[in-house]
Amino acid sequence: LAKTTQPISMDSYEGQEVNITCSHNNIATNDYITWYQQFPSQGPRFIIQGYKTKVTNEVASLFIPADRKSSTLSLPRVSLSDTAVYYCLVGDHPEGTALIFGKGTTLSVSS
Amino acid sequence: GAVVSQHPSWVICKSGTSVKIECRSLDFQATTMFWYRQFPKQSLMLMATSNEGSKATYEQGVEKDKFLINHASLTLSTLTVTSAHPEDSSFYICSAIDRGSNTEAFFGQGTRLTVV
Repeated sequence: LAKTTQPISMDSYEGQEVNITCSHNNIATNDYITWYQQFPSQGPRFIIQGYKTKVTNEVASLFIPADRKSSTLSLPRVSLSDTAVYYCLVGDHPEGTALIFGKGTTLSVSS
Repeated sequence: GAVVSQHPSWVICKSGTSVKIECRSLDFQATTMFWYRQFPKQSLMLMATSNEGSKATYEQGVEKDKFLINHASLTLSTLTVTSAHPEDSSFYICSAIDRGSNTEAFFGQGTRLTVV
């Protein structure tokens, strides 16, 4: 599994766009990049997944440069309820293998 | 999306007793489920992989005789913390991968175990 590095914490204010970058220099050809969100005392929740270029859904956008050695999760116009820990995971997740979580980024949104 | 249900959401037990936590995939079949443990302000740590119809695979450092895992059907895995001690107090989370959902993993809501 590719090792990932992301900031330990980030602070933002309501209404701002937040970009969380994840470095994964050793990403393999078959690996996907997946982001999960975890609120306190809850299980992680899938946000977005991508392989290359840009992916957008109703919650976030994921930007992946051509070399795929990093990725950026973009949260548009955050609100207080976006305060959570965000995990970047990289792997191909073959059947029967678990997701391995790194330390994640704690995002704190203030009013 | 697929739903994984965990029960109970929280439990308080006395030292020396055993506690069973259930993990169910509600609308899909999961031949494999995973159990994680999470201490305060730390990341999820994989404890074991639960395989339907066979023995679970435990991560290094996780005592298989203390954390009993049973995966008797394609929709249910159970984790039993035996002879619980205060140091076992933690947040336990299960997960299952829906193969029909492009490798997306779904997580239960977690179980807060407090051993007193």
